[in-house]
Amino acid sequence: SQTIHQWPATLVQPVGSPLSLECTVEGTSNPNLYWYRQAAGRGLQLLFYSVGIGQISSEVPQNLSASRPQDRQFILSSKKLLLSDSGFYLCAWSVRRGLSTDTQYFGPGTRLTVL
Amino acid sequence: QKEVEQDPGPLSVPEGAIVSLNCTYSNSAFQYFMWYRQYSRKGPELLMYTYSSGNKEDGRFTAQVDKSSKYISLFIRDSQPSDSATYLCAMRPGNFNKFYFGSGTKLNVKP
Repeated sequence: SQTIHQWPATLVQPVGSPLSLECTVEGTSNPNLYWYRQAAGRGLQLLFYSVGIGQISSEVPQNLSASRPQDRQFILSSKKLLLSDSGFYLCAWSVRRGLSTDTQYFGPGTRLTVL
Repeated sequence: QKEVEQDPGPLSVPEGAIVSLNCTYSNSAFQYFMWYRQYSRKGPELLMYTYSSGNKEDGRFTAQVDKSSKYISLFIRDSQPSDSATYLCAMRPGNFNKFYFGSGTKLNVKP
């Protein structure tokens, strides 16, 4: 069966510090991978998605970046965090079906607080 | 206008009640529809996944899609306190890798 991991689970960082969140998927190959942010009491905002190694689509211009160095690894980074970067970060994966995809499955999330 | 609209609630019901959760959407290209349950401080968990119009049942959960009205619903029968969570609807067009989410409805089932 497939499993998705995210770490760390919780993170408190000062403004201006760098960020690296990691997501890995087990039990599947060639998945689509996604990063979302969820602000308190709000819906999911798609940040990045990737259909393959080194292929990143950015949805929202901001001080965040994403990389996919391996097939089942997705990393979210920032060089300098802003207060507005606080939130719940979710990684998700889906099975690729030709040009499209199957449904999405989410990881446990990382709660980021920027002070 | 958001592509997917969902009443944020909160919706409070007594245990055993039938719960109806709904989303409306504006993009007629949406073909795949999902419902997720999210407990506090956890990642969303997939509940139902349907394609095009019609009904799908899984245990106490029934998902309905009415593409002519651009309206989807999730019914929960015999609701339990453990159903207390935020419910997110999601959808996507065919041949497309992006998913569009509602903002979520918070449900509270009182014992």
